[in-house]
Amino acid sequence: ILNVEQSPQSLHVQEGDSTNFTCSFPSSNFYALHWYRWETAKSPEALFVMTLNGDEKKKGRISATLNTKEGYSYLYIKGSQPEDSATYLCAFLSNFGNEKLTFGTGTRLTIIP
Amino acid sequence: DTGVSQDPRHKITKRGQNVTFRCDPISEHNRLYWYRQTLGQGPEFLTYFQNEAQLEKSRLLSDRFSAERPKGSFSTLEIQRTEQGDSAMYLCASSLIDGNQPQHFGDGTRLSIL
Repeated sequence: ILNVEQSPQSLHVQEGDSTNFTCSFPSSNFYALHWYRWETAKSPEALFVMTLNGDEKKKGRISATLNTKEGYSYLYIKGSQPEDSATYLCAFLSNFGNEKLTFGTGTRLTIIP
Repeated sequence: DTGVSQDPRHKITKRGQNVTFRCDPISEHNRLYWYRQTLGQGPEFLTYFQNEAQLEKSRLLSDRFSAERPKGSFSTLEIQRTEQGDSAMYLCASSLIDGNQPQHFGDGTRLSIL
């Protein structure tokens, strides 16, 4: 059983502040780590697919880092805006070849105007 | 690109009834996935197709559940003899054949069993 954990479970951040949260995953049999944003009443939206140890990806004010040797990824949001309020999910893809994403339980982010 | 569409958005039914959901993936995507999400949890993998072939099924997919993708395009997920524990959001996603590609999700079908 693959264990993917996210912390914190929920977070309230003042508009304009920066924040970050963590995804931990198995350090063996790694193939890829996905990040998704899921706003209420919408579909999950892909943010990043990360595959290389030490990789850092950026999309606007959101960035992510990856450490496959120790099994963690950080997601950073700079200068939070109300539209950043969502649940952020990470998902681990192993190299078993079965294309099965194992999701964490998510970090629910609320931006306080 | 019309995105992944799922139908219906909501389904309320009585325990013991059968339900069927439909997913239309992005047209050029070979892979199609079904997930189930319950309150406070992340999506849980149920099954996936590559073209019309069902390549992987989770232990979560009991014999009451069946999924098809007959022509390698749209897919259906049927639940027979529904139970209250089947109440959940059922998500469909599609992707290209490349582990480095993200999955594109539909809005989901929320199933409520009375």
